[in-house]
This record gives sequence, C-alpha cells and structure tokens, in this order.
Amino acid sequence: QVSLKESGPGILQPFQTLSLTCSFSGFSLGTSNMGVGWIRQTSGKGLEYLATIWWDDDKYFNPSLNSRLTVSKDTSNNQAFLKITSVDTADTGTYYCTQIRRRVHGWFAYWGQGTLVTVSS
Amino acid sequence: DIVLTQSPVLAVSLGQRATISCRASQSVSISSINLMHWYQQKPGQQPKLLIYRASNLASGIPARFSGSGSGTDFTLTIDPVQADDIAAYYCQQSRESPDTFGAGTKLELK
Repeated sequence: QVSLKESGPGILQPFQTLSLTCSFSGFSLGTSNMGVGWIRQTSGKGLEYLATIWWDDDKYFNPSLNSRLTVSKDTSNNQAFLKITSVDTADTGTYYCTQIRRRVHGWFAYWGQGTLVTVSS
Repeated sequence: DIVLTQSPVLAVSLGQRATISCRASQSVSISSINLMHWYQQKPGQQPKLLIYRASNLASGIPARFSGSGSGTDFTLTIDPVQADDIAAYYCQQSRESPDTFGAGTKLELK
C-alpha cells in the first residue's frame, strides 16, 4: 500500500529557502523506473509541476523554476526532498509529493496529503 | 508549454451523466497512445488519479468513471453521477515536458 506524506516549515519569510521532506512507504526509490515528483497548488497558477527525482538519481525540473529548485533523496530511509530558494508570496500554496512509475510520459499515481506553505513578511 | 483548457463549472443532477472536457493547445497523442490523465480532488484533499492514458481506469476507481479522446480533445464521463462525485476534476498531459494541468472543472449539483 503506497503512502506519501509531506512535511515543511508552514510559514517562512520572503527570500528564505523552502525545504520540504516527503516520507513514503509501499515503494522504494531504489526500484528501477520509480520516481518522486513534486507538484504545488497555488491560487495564482493552480496545479503546477515542479520537479522529479528518479531511482537512478536523475532529475528533471520545470524550466520556469529551474534555477531555484533542488531535489534529492535518501533511498535507505524512503525520503525525498525539495528545496526552493528565494521564495516570495507567489510561492504560497500547498505542496504535494507524488509517486511516478514511468520515466517517460508518466502520470502521478499516488499523492501525499500536501503541506501548506505560506510566505509572508 | 502545452496549455489545457477546461470549463470552470459543470452543473449536473444526481443520477445523470456528466461529461467533462479538456482541450489541449497541441496534440498530446503519440501514435495510438494518448498521454492525457484525469484526477479528482475533493475539498481539503489531495488529487487522486482516476484515469491514465485517456481511457484506462486507475486501481480502485468505480466503473461509472470513463475517459475517451485523442489528439487535442478529451472527455471524462461520470455515469451515473453520485453525491460522492461532487469535486473538482483536472486533466494533465505528459506528452511534452514540463507536464501541465488544466485549471479544473468543478462539478456541482443542479
């Protein structure tokens, strides 16, 4: 049974770095073709794909945020991580991690419950 | 990026058929493979996969949900609509990176 759960700071100030953790069970990022994707939902842009980290440590970033994003993983502890640098109010929203099982042309099979992030001074 | 267009709201009566559409700004099909997927999101919850590759029912999803379409025009059908189906529905394409989502269709009761 696949389960994912995001955790994060809740509130942060503009220009700070957002760090999120995805803790998951029911699958391994050591398994071929497995990936964890990050998606956010904001009032301004709706659902927006951010990035994916794959089982072999390959990564893909949405070009619109590429320079601000970092993804990493801890395979042995079933965790994935997302960092967004220099946040502003437009980054306020709910952040989800998802399981992806196909490297090319895939879909988001399972989603975490999401974690709300508010950027405010 | 590929833009996906959905109508914002669809009003339907319980027990009737709901047809939710999604139009892509360019084809999201490769040969016979249609790279459009559908999600349901209830208030306060995360999105849930309903349909993948346009017409394949995800695990555990009731058979009253179905999907169709190819190229740029896709449809999610719910027949018959039940009270538990009142939610927002989103399409997503994976034909071209980055993956993109539609703005969602909110299914409401008449």
